[in-house]
Amino acid sequence: GAGVSQTPSNKVTEKGKYVELRCDPISGHTALYWYRQSLGQGPEFLIYFQGTGAADDSGLPNDRFFAVRPEGSVSTLKIQRTERGDSAVYLCASSQGLFTDTQYFGPGTRLTVL
Amino acid sequence: RKEVEQDPGPFNVPEGATVAFNCTYSNSASQSFFWYRQDCRKEPKLLMSVYSSGNEDGRFTAQLNRASQYISLLIRDSKLSDSATYLCVVNPGGGNTPLVFGKGTRLSVIA
Repeated sequence: GAGVSQTPSNKVTEKGKYVELRCDPISGHTALYWYRQSLGQGPEFLIYFQGTGAADDSGLPNDRFFAVRPEGSVSTLKIQRTERGDSAVYLCASSQGLFTDTQYFGPGTRLTVL
Repeated sequence: RKEVEQDPGPFNVPEGATVAFNCTYSNSASQSFFWYRQDCRKEPKLLMSVYSSGNEDGRFTAQLNRASQYISLLIRDSKLSDSATYLCVVNPGGGNTPLVFGKGTRLSVIA
């Protein structure tokens, strides 16, 4: 079956702009996660959805970052007033339920803020 | 002390060699442990879970030492295709707490 998909694969934007990153999880997976990975680092947790609700958003770095999952499937990560430090690969993963279930990652969106 | 620490490497080993990576974690209450593999510019993929009794999958063996708070990954008979970054992953508090990833250990297997 289809895996996790993310669009766009690459996004270049200018400092101060608004961006939206999309994640389409594996069908039937109730849990969806967003991570951010900077060069030379492991993925860093941002936010986790169980169904439509954000169960844990403790990893969001500040209020410029927001994510939604209105119908319990596709999720959008939104970044306002982008800064150069936001440049990273944004990874989405999904799983059947808890964090301890195997998480399947999408290919990521490489965000570059100029 | 970081929650999950790994030697970043790189480990450069010849084909056929045996190589081992260690990873230490700071939270003694950590419940679940995993090794993920990440190829260059690709997404991480689960390699194996790490159980208290240790587990083996072909050429790969993972072990957990709760007393010393470290997990290990042993790769026997290394292949060129094993070249990747290996991420140590810990679930610090149980099912509903986020996974914590180490920075990864880079392995290059050379002919």
